[in-house]
Amino acid sequence: KAGVTQTPRYLIKTRGQQVTLSCSPISGHRSVSWYQQTPGQGLQFLFEYFSETQRNKGNFPGRFSGRQFSNSRSEMNVSTLELGDSALYLCASSWNPGGEAFFGQGTRLTVV
Amino acid sequence: GENVEQHPSTLSVQEGDSAVIKCTYSDSASNYFPWYKQELGKRPQLIIDIRSNVGEKKDQRIAVTLNKTAKHFSLHITETQPEDSAVYFCAASNSGGSNYKLTFGKGTLLTVNP
Repeated sequence: KAGVTQTPRYLIKTRGQQVTLSCSPISGHRSVSWYQQTPGQGLQFLFEYFSETQRNKGNFPGRFSGRQFSNSRSEMNVSTLELGDSALYLCASSWNPGGEAFFGQGTRLTVV
Repeated sequence: GENVEQHPSTLSVQEGDSAVIKCTYSDSASNYFPWYKQELGKRPQLIIDIRSNVGEKKDQRIAVTLNKTAKHFSLHITETQPEDSAVYFCAASNSGGSNYKLTFGKGTLLTVNP
């Protein structure tokens, strides 16, 4: 069974640009959550999707958005990038909300 | 919202010793407590979890205990080995609730010295 797949693995963007990250969950998993990981702040919750609906959102500005498709794949978008957005972005999937969550390898975003 | 505190932030032990990492949570509605291990440059991996209807769970050298009254839970690793060296994260959530999300502790860097 394939694990959670995130693409791309690495990204370098310039301040002010926007970026889209992709997450393909484990087959059969319908819940996808996104986290930002930085050395100082640890793992911070961005949002969670279940059956194409955003059910929960963390304390991030509106520049951070996401969506989930009918096949449970999810994307997150960050607009007007800032230097402070440099981080590892992780997605996790689970069969249902509250179930065991499995993480992807992450996308390392660097904003210059 | 939920707040999870994790201690210590760093822990160094000798191979063969035991290691204990402790977490406290604030939301009494939280009922699911997983632990993740993250090796350098790798994804967090679920190593053990516990639900609020259970007080203790073991898996070989790893055990987790939960005290709902005190709102704290702990990870115990016995007979530590160098490959146990990693960052360990605890988390809490209200599994099955309408507001499911994992709130993580800040992590513990465990170093096992040969």
